Amino acid sequence: DSGVTQTPKHLITATGQRVTLRCSPRSGDLSVYWYQQSLDQGLQFLIQYYNGEERAKGNILERFSAQQFPDLHSELNLSSLELGDSALYFCASSTGALNTGELFFGEGSRLTVL
Amino acid sequence: GNSVTQMEGPVTLSEEAFLTINCTYTATGYPSLFWYVQYPGEGLQLLLKATKADDKGSNKGFEATYRKETTSFHLEKGSVQVSDSAVYFCALSDRGGSNYKLTFGKGTLLTVNP
Repeated sequence: DSGVTQTPKHLITATGQRVTLRCSPRSGDLSVYWYQQSLDQGLQFLIQYYNGEERAKGNILERFSAQQFPDLHSELNLSSLELGDSALYFCASSTGALNTGELFFGEGSRLTVL
Repeated sequence: GNSVTQMEGPVTLSEEAFLTINCTYTATGYPSLFWYVQYPGEGLQLLLKATKADDKGSNKGFEATYRKETTSFHLEKGSVQVSDSAVYFCALSDRGGSNYKLTFGKGTLLTVNP
């Protein structure tokens, strides 16, 4: 158990809809990262938050947004969903602001867009 | 930019066989190198790491040596078990601007048969 909690584990929705994925980091970790894992693209970094502020941005689409709340949990919002957004979305956490590579991953939220 | 190339799977071995999963990288700086493992239905877990040339990372019988001259970080285990069946990801972390960037390979599926 990594200590990182993600909900929901599975989500099925239709094209055009909006969903919210939630992540609680390990106790004491201030950074939260979101990754998308798909068969064709592999593991893609989306965005990082540190102590409530956006720290780094990766290949995140404009239809996607994220935030980190004062209690350090984070939410990833996916809107105007397309079939290609079907993927496994991972949250990871670390102690500091710099992504030095040692991350703790949650079990992921599997999104299926029909 | 940085990139990680690892051998395509799937790799299927019998129990107690020797394992090698090749990983090579391209980086502009002096990256740290990692192997992550993803067991079925779980998130990624850090397996081992090496932060400078000639360092050897090891954990759970797995080893990998940071070879700067060949830009490689091959994962090895002398005798695999059924419980080692998982997807293995090679990754590098390198400084880019004010943060580090973590780049993953596409993953290699290992299946170990009894």
